[in-house]
Amino acid sequence: DAGVIQSPRHEVTEMGQEVTLRCKPISGHNSLFWYRQTMMRGLELLIYFNNNVPIDDSGMPEDRFSAKMPNASFSTLKIQPSEPRDSAVYFCASSLSGMETQYFGPGTRLLVL
Amino acid sequence: GQQLNQSPQSMFIQEGEDVSMNCTSSSIFNTWLWYKQDPGEGPVLLIALYKAGELTSNGRLTAQFGITRKDSFLNISASIPSDVGIYFCAGQLPTSGSRLTFGEGTQLTVNP
Repeated sequence: DAGVIQSPRHEVTEMGQEVTLRCKPISGHNSLFWYRQTMMRGLELLIYFNNNVPIDDSGMPEDRFSAKMPNASFSTLKIQPSEPRDSAVYFCASSLSGMETQYFGPGTRLLVL
Repeated sequence: GQQLNQSPQSMFIQEGEDVSMNCTSSSIFNTWLWYKQDPGEGPVLLIALYKAGELTSNGRLTAQFGITRKDSFLNISASIPSDVGIYFCAGQLPTSGSRLTFGEGTQLTVNP
């Protein structure tokens, strides 16, 4: 069975550019989570959706970050404009609502120069 | 915010040794999860615990949900080189919905 799929796996961009990260959750899962991982701050929850609706976006660092989930099988995390401090690994995870076991994708390694 | 204290931060052991790591908190959790992260990959779920006192095994891995609901431990028996990685605990608070709180991780190195 396919797990959580993320693209791209690696992204290198210049400061000021727009970055879009994509995620396809596990089929049938109705909760989706976006995390950021850095050495300094560990794993941080940015936002999560339940049935395509954003439930908690308190972890989104600032207005430059936005996330959408137009349907049950696709979500995007957008950074515009990007800054060097946004460099991190971004993970998407999914779960069945009511079950706390989250399954992670392989991550997108973002480097903003 | 809520914190999970995970220890130790790192471990260097010889192949064949047993390993123990734990997570503690001042808060009560409904669920405890243990993940392993290999370099360049996402965290992979190892064990999920749902009830206080629950003891669950997955091969050479054993984890327990503390009786007080404020802690959990993970044991690895007879370690092998492929056990190398970062192990994370994660807990779900009663008031946090689907949000998980993650520990800072234990970096495990196994010398052949």
